[in-house]
Amino acid sequence: GNSVTQMEGPVTLSEEAFLTINCTYTATGYPSLFWYVQYPGEGLQLLLKATKADDKGSNKGFEATYRKETTSFHLEKGSVQVSDSAVYFCALTHLFSGNTGKLIFGQGTTLQVKP
Amino acid sequence: ETGVTQTPRHLVMGMTNKKSLKCEQHLGHNAMYWYKQSAKKPLELMFVYNFKEQTENNSVPSRFSPECPNSSHLFLHLHTLQPEDSALYLCASSQDIRAYNSPLHFGNGTRLTVT
Repeated sequence: GNSVTQMEGPVTLSEEAFLTINCTYTATGYPSLFWYVQYPGEGLQLLLKATKADDKGSNKGFEATYRKETTSFHLEKGSVQVSDSAVYFCALTHLFSGNTGKLIFGQGTTLQVKP
Repeated sequence: ETGVTQTPRHLVMGMTNKKSLKCEQHLGHNAMYWYKQSAKKPLELMFVYNFKEQTENNSVPSRFSPECPNSSHLFLHLHTLQPEDSALYLCASSQDIRAYNSPLHFGNGTRLTVT
């Protein structure tokens, strides 16, 4: 079945460090891929998305490229800030028989940025 | 006003109580969702409604009873819960479950503690 695997956390970085959070997926065909972020005490919010192979999603300095050859959608940011401390979720959705686009989440990766 | 509003933010209830969680969305969406977020576990999809009709019940125990009177409102009725039901309950909405590229919009959740 379809699934999403994220790197284990927590990830602890100093301010201005480079961030990579790995995400790989298993799915037939061409899923759409998403990154959601959850700040403390809040619900999830969409960070970026990509709907086809080689697409790059970007927002707030974060980027992720849909790589079909490696079934990956790694999240990157060149210089993190303390305010980026949150839990990051990779997710996919796929329209196939018997399913109408249910969003499948990874387990989440906690990022802690220290000043 | 936020797009998806959940009340209450915090709820403490005994195992014999009956309570309800409320979710309201102001985005003109037609699909609404309940998720359960427990510590150290992936997000669990509980129920999905599309145009007020339930389209998915993800093997949720009957002590959780959803209600969707219209596309803007979603309730989760709780009775005779167990301590392991303590979690953050997140409501979300989207344009339509068939628009699988459209993102979910989440509320800030209700933190439920069962004593």
